[in-house]
Amino acid sequence: GQNIDQPTEMTATEGAIVQINCTYQTSGFNGLFWYQQHAGEAPTFLSYNVLDGLEEKGRFSSFLSRSKGYSYLLLKELQMKDSASYLCATREGNNRLAFGKGNQVVVIP
Amino acid sequence: DVKVTQSSRYLVKRTGEKVFLECVQDMDHENMFWYRQDPGLGLRLIYFSYDVKMKEKGDIPEGYSVSREKKERFSLILESASTNQTSMYLCASRATGRRDQPQHFGDGTRLSIL
Repeated sequence: GQNIDQPTEMTATEGAIVQINCTYQTSGFNGLFWYQQHAGEAPTFLSYNVLDGLEEKGRFSSFLSRSKGYSYLLLKELQMKDSASYLCATREGNNRLAFGKGNQVVVIP
Repeated sequence: DVKVTQSSRYLVKRTGEKVFLECVQDMDHENMFWYRQDPGLGLRLIYFSYDVKMKEKGDIPEGYSVSREKKERFSLILESASTNQTSMYLCASRATGRRDQPQHFGDGTRLSIL
């Protein structure tokens, strides 16, 4: 099974950088996904990591350390529209995802 | 773009009713999933299917069943609805193949059982 831990909420200022952490314990790690979910909407895919290191995609970057069971999502140049919940999910085997409870990011002017 | 469509955004039903939640995807994906999302608990997997007529239990299958008669459609059934099944239900689909293929989600059905 999988055990995924994320902090619940953080507040940050527009233009700032915020780092969202995710730690996991899994019996069969096969990749880690980050999703963004605005209130009342579907989760949308942000990034995927399976090897150690940093993956950069515009303002968003995601890091993975498999030996530490740790990932983070870095949001740069924060915008008001980045206010959302950020979900970390690990894949076990071929198909199933196990989601963390999500981290609510509130961006203030 | 992948389109996952859930039949209702909001649904209100009564205790004991049989409830059907429908999900359709238009990308010929082999894999489909049903989750429920509750405050403080996150997304929890109810059932998934990796092919037509195939189904696998997720983490919380009790009180639910599913049907996958056609590749594009995956139905979640609450055999006898109870108030503790009030929740947001999310359907997702995913292609088989490359491991970086993400799951694509529908907009969700907010189900209230009275």
